[in-house]
Amino acid sequence: DIQMTQSPSSLSASVGDRVTITCRASQSISSYLNWYQQKPGKAPKLLIYAASSLQSGVPSRFSGSGSGTDFTLTISSLQPEDFATYYCQQSYSTPPSFGQGTKLEIK
Amino acid sequence: EVQLVESGGGLVQPGRSLRLSCAASGFTFDDYAMHWVRQAPGKGLEWVSGISWNSGSTGYADSVKGRFTISRDNAKNSLYLQMNSLRAEDTALYYCAKGTEDIVVVPTDYWGQGTLVTVSS
Repeated sequence: DIQMTQSPSSLSASVGDRVTITCRASQSISSYLNWYQQKPGKAPKLLIYAASSLQSGVPSRFSGSGSGTDFTLTISSLQPEDFATYYCQQSYSTPPSFGQGTKLEIK
Repeated sequence: EVQLVESGGGLVQPGRSLRLSCAASGFTFDDYAMHWVRQAPGKGLEWVSGISWNSGSTGYADSVKGRFTISRDNAKNSLYLQMNSLRAEDTALYYCAKGTEDIVVVPTDYWGQGTLVTVSS
């Protein structure tokens, strides 16, 4: 099975900051990497698929990059509604494993 | 509007069984793979199982293989998860989620609100 490791596990930032979250796969997954946002008490929401494709309706301040084993999610200018937990997921092979999550908190 | 509504959760004793259901609407159900993803209290997301559009392909997490069975009824726009030999570590909120394509290993673009399963004596 492919292991997904996110860093950091938690992050404090301010509104307007540029934030980057990293996800590393235990083996190459090409560009089969997705990012989700989850707010407390809510279901996850797909933000980015195929490493860099923005899901419909997601603000353009979110972007993704990477291929192979190393990937990043970048939020260019944090907004109050962006404080949440973010998960990466590989969709290269079964099981489509998730990272452990990165909790983004207000500084 | 895509809607996924899970049901069937509850309190169950270890070793017993439970069957979860997910009623789908707002999209052509038999065009897409479907998934179950769970989240233990205060923990991260864990993919549990997925099924292709025509039930021809299924997948399971190692943690549930041999105990859980995923199925779907395209005529009823419904997804199911039969959970047998339940353990305390299966306690979680179980989400139904829609795949972006008809094959199993794809992203999930819509999720239900989840149904809570608690395994305890």
